[in-house]
Amino acid sequence: EAQVTQNPRYLITVTGKKLTVTCSQNMNHEYMSWYRQDPGLGLRQIYYSMNVEVTDKGDVPEGYKVSRKEKRNFPLILESPSPNQTSLYFCASSLAETDIGGYTFGSGTRLTVV
Amino acid sequence: AQSVTQLGSHVSVSEGALVLLRCNYSSSVPPYLFWYVQYPNQGLQLLLKYTSAATLVKGINGFEAEFKKSETSFHLTKPSAHMSDAAEYFCAVSDRGGGFKTIFGAGTRLFVKA
Repeated sequence: EAQVTQNPRYLITVTGKKLTVTCSQNMNHEYMSWYRQDPGLGLRQIYYSMNVEVTDKGDVPEGYKVSRKEKRNFPLILESPSPNQTSLYFCASSLAETDIGGYTFGSGTRLTVV
Repeated sequence: AQSVTQLGSHVSVSEGALVLLRCNYSSSVPPYLFWYVQYPNQGLQLLLKYTSAATLVKGINGFEAEFKKSETSFHLTKPSAHMSDAAEYFCAVSDRGGGFKTIFGAGTRLFVKA
């Protein structure tokens, strides 16, 4: 089944403790992206990657890092999480930067930073 | 810069009634427009997309949307609401297709009353 898989689904952590949210897709998609979803704000793009070793900042990149060493994986790293990073996170992929097919989304990771 | 405005954070309809969810966009280039649906505890699913072919776009589950350039609108409609349509709906705009720099609206939660 074609899908985007995120792990974990739920995570509670303490301020300052480094964490990684994994994202993997099995569709050979070139383009991958991370979004955070907050009430009343919709989805805001954190980082995106157009292909292996090619990443760039989205609209809200502060406090986050990403890497794209393999085509299928696009982990999101929070080096020193803070409470304002409590949110619902989505990984998404599409065939290519200019693909008009739209995104395939993962099921989400609900992160709570205390 | 692109932007999306969804009018109404909450919409309530009776089962069998018309569903109308409003979306206005701003784009300096011909846009690609999308509607996504999010069911509770799930990721977003693509409902339909406008890619400059036909202005009236039909999607899954009986939904459709009409692109009106003069009004910069892309409203989502369904003739007869079903209880299973209760979800959150997001309008999105991109200048290069389904991935790159997609901007999402704040979302509209649809409630369906029996």
